[in-house]
Amino acid sequence: DVKVTQSSRYLVKRTGEKVFLECVQDMDHENMFWYRQDPGLGLRLIYFSYDVKMKEKGDIPEGYSVSREKKERFSLILESASTNQTSMYLCASSDPDRKQYFGPGTRLTVT
Amino acid sequence: GENVEQHPSTLSVQEGDSAVIKCTYSDSASNYFPWYKQELGKRPQLIIDIRSNVGEKKDQRIAVTLNKTAKHFSLHITETQPEDSAVYFCAAFEGGNYQLIWGAGTKLIIKP
Repeated sequence: DVKVTQSSRYLVKRTGEKVFLECVQDMDHENMFWYRQDPGLGLRLIYFSYDVKMKEKGDIPEGYSVSREKKERFSLILESASTNQTSMYLCASSDPDRKQYFGPGTRLTVT
Repeated sequence: GENVEQHPSTLSVQEGDSAVIKCTYSDSASNYFPWYKQELGKRPQLIIDIRSNVGEKKDQRIAVTLNKTAKHFSLHITETQPEDSAVYFCAAFEGGNYQLIWGAGTKLIIKP
C-alpha cells in the first residue's frame, strides 16, 4: 500500500510567520504535488516536482515555495503567511501509471 | 493548455437509483482520465480510471465511459448507497506537464 504522510493535520500560525509543511511518500515515486483545496474551488495545484531538486509552478504558486532535497520528501513553504492562505493543503505522489495518492491533508489556519 | 469542466456541481439521487457525473476536456492529446472520491474530512482516493485506448471500464457498481471524439467522459454509479455520498472529482492527464488537470468536483447526495 502506498503511504503518503503529512507532518501535521492541523496547524495554526500567525500572519507573517514562515510555515513549513512536509510530505513524505514511501513508494519511491518520482512525481510529487502540493495542492490547495478550498470550498467550491476544487483542487488547485501550487507546485509539483518530477525529480529531486526539480520543481515546476502550478496554477497558484504566488506566496509559496517548495523544496525537494530527497526523493521521498517534498516540502511546501509559506515565506510569510497571510490570512488568505488559510486552507486545506494536500500533498500527493504519483506512480509511473500516473495514479495520484494523497496524504491526509493539513488544515492551516493563519490568524 | 488542458481545461476540464465537470457537471453537475451538486447531484441528489434517491438511494438505489443511478447517478451520472459528466466531464469534458479540451486537449485531444490527453490520454488518461481518473475519477477520485473524497468523503467528508478525508483525502481524495482513486476509484476508477480509463485510458484513451478504451471506451468503457467497469468495477462492480461504478463505470466510466470515454468518448474521445466528443472529448467527454462520465462516471456512472448504479444502485447508489449511503456510503456513495461524497465529492467526486474527474481529471485529465496533460502529458507534457506531468500533471492532472482537475474538474471542480460534484457533491453527490444520496437521499434515504
